Amino acid sequence: GESVGLHLPTLSVQEGDNSIINCAYSNSASDYFIWYKQESGKGPQFIIDIRSNMDKRQGQRVTVLLNKTVKHLSLQIAATQPGDSAVYFCAGPRSNDYKLSFGAGTTVTVRA
Amino acid sequence: GAVVSQHPSRVICKSGTSVKIECRSLDFQATTMFWYRQFPKQSLMLMATSNEGSKATYEQGVEKDKFLINHASLTLSTLTVTSAHPEDSSFYICSGQRTGIVATDTQYFGPGTRLTVL
Repeated sequence: GESVGLHLPTLSVQEGDNSIINCAYSNSASDYFIWYKQESGKGPQFIIDIRSNMDKRQGQRVTVLLNKTVKHLSLQIAATQPGDSAVYFCAGPRSNDYKLSFGAGTTVTVRA
Repeated sequence: GAVVSQHPSRVICKSGTSVKIECRSLDFQATTMFWYRQFPKQSLMLMATSNEGSKATYEQGVEKDKFLINHASLTLSTLTVTSAHPEDSSFYICSGQRTGIVATDTQYFGPGTRLTVL
């Protein structure tokens, strides 16, 4: 069953500002999470992942934070650009078979 | 990076006909391929897991006789929607996973196939 969810379905951000997308999960044994970006009419694109032995991981303009105490993770996008407009999904392993379960998705719209 | 392609990218068919969607891993061998369905403004829902050389594993509520999956080689999996109806209209996305041994092996997603059943 579903083990991850997202807090807000939409996020509007001014170009150049930072974006923060949140996700909660229910399975405390989950040890791996992935963030995907999906542009309209396309398949999901891997952004960044994090394992439970880490609290933070940084990529190019993106940072993922993992708070295992409250079972929450976030994706931060620095200096948001128009090309960042997309739907963002967090995903984590299902508890029974470790296959990926996707959250509901947050649609990020970047205002010029 | 690992590339997954899907064909066709979009298809329109009449109700009652069957449609085949191909998923190919272009530069890696995918021991495991996954098929997802995504309705408008919704998340990806796993339909089935396809393992090369063996029968597919279907999620609860997904009819295996309606959604036929064949994973004949390490680079190709096909999904056939049999006797398609308008409610089968959706965005179908596949992904490939290299070894399938470690569940956290990265899944590489295809671009999706938009199916419209009239």
